[in-house]
Amino acid sequence: AQSVTQPDIHITVSEGASLELRCNYSYGATPYLFWYVQSPGQGLQLLLKYFSGDTLVQGIKGFEAEFKRSQSSFNLRKPSVHWSDAAEYFCDVGATGGSYIPTFGRGTSLIVHP
Amino acid sequence: ETGVTQTPRHLVMGMTNKKSLKCEQHLGHNAMYWYKQSAKKPLELMFVYSLEERVENNSVPSRFSPECPNSSHLFLHLHTLQPEDSALYLCASSPRQGNEQYFGPGTRLTVT
Repeated sequence: AQSVTQPDIHITVSEGASLELRCNYSYGATPYLFWYVQSPGQGLQLLLKYFSGDTLVQGIKGFEAEFKRSQSSFNLRKPSVHWSDAAEYFCDVGATGGSYIPTFGRGTSLIVHP
Repeated sequence: ETGVTQTPRHLVMGMTNKKSLKCEQHLGHNAMYWYKQSAKKPLELMFVYSLEERVENNSVPSRFSPECPNSSHLFLHLHTLQPEDSALYLCASSPRQGNEQYFGPGTRLTVT
C-alpha cells in the first residue's frame, strides 16, 4: 500500500525568504504526485502535479516541485514567499492505472512572518 | 471558481436528525470523492465513486450513506450522527481515478 510522509507539521519563514516543504512517499512503482494548498475553512486547491517526464514541475503561484525517484521525494519549493502563502499544504500520492486511491500526507502548516 | 459546489456550506444538526450534503461538479469528471477533515487530524478519505460505481468505502460507519445518481452529483446522507462526526466535509472530483482532484469549499458540520 502507498503512504505519504510530510515530516514537518509547521514551518515558519519570513516574507521574502525561500521555502521548501518536504514530502516522502512509499510506493512500488512510479506514482502520480500532487501538491495542494488549503486556506482556512476552504477546500484544497491543486498547486501542481507530476505524472511522468520532466522531474521538475512548475505550478501556480510561483511554486515548483522536484520528483526524485532515488529519494522517494517530491519536495515543494518557492524562491520568495509572500504573506498570502500562509496556509496548509498537502502532498498526495496516487497509483498509476485506474485503481488509484488518494493517499494524502498529514499536511504542513506554513506560517509567514512579515 | 473551482467548478465543484457544495451545499449547504454550514450545517448544525442534532444527533437524531437526518440531513444530506450535496456536491455538484460542472467539469465533466468521471470520479468523485468524499473526505472528512477534523481539526488536528489528517484528511480522511470516506468514499470514492468512479463512473457512478462505488469503488472505495474506507471503513466508514453506516450512519454515513453516499449516493451518486449520475457523474455530476454526489450526496452524503447523514443520520443519527455523533458529536465526534463534527468536521469539515469535502467533496472532490477528478477527470478519472488517478488524476488530480478539484475540491469544493466544504460543508462545516456541527453535531449537537
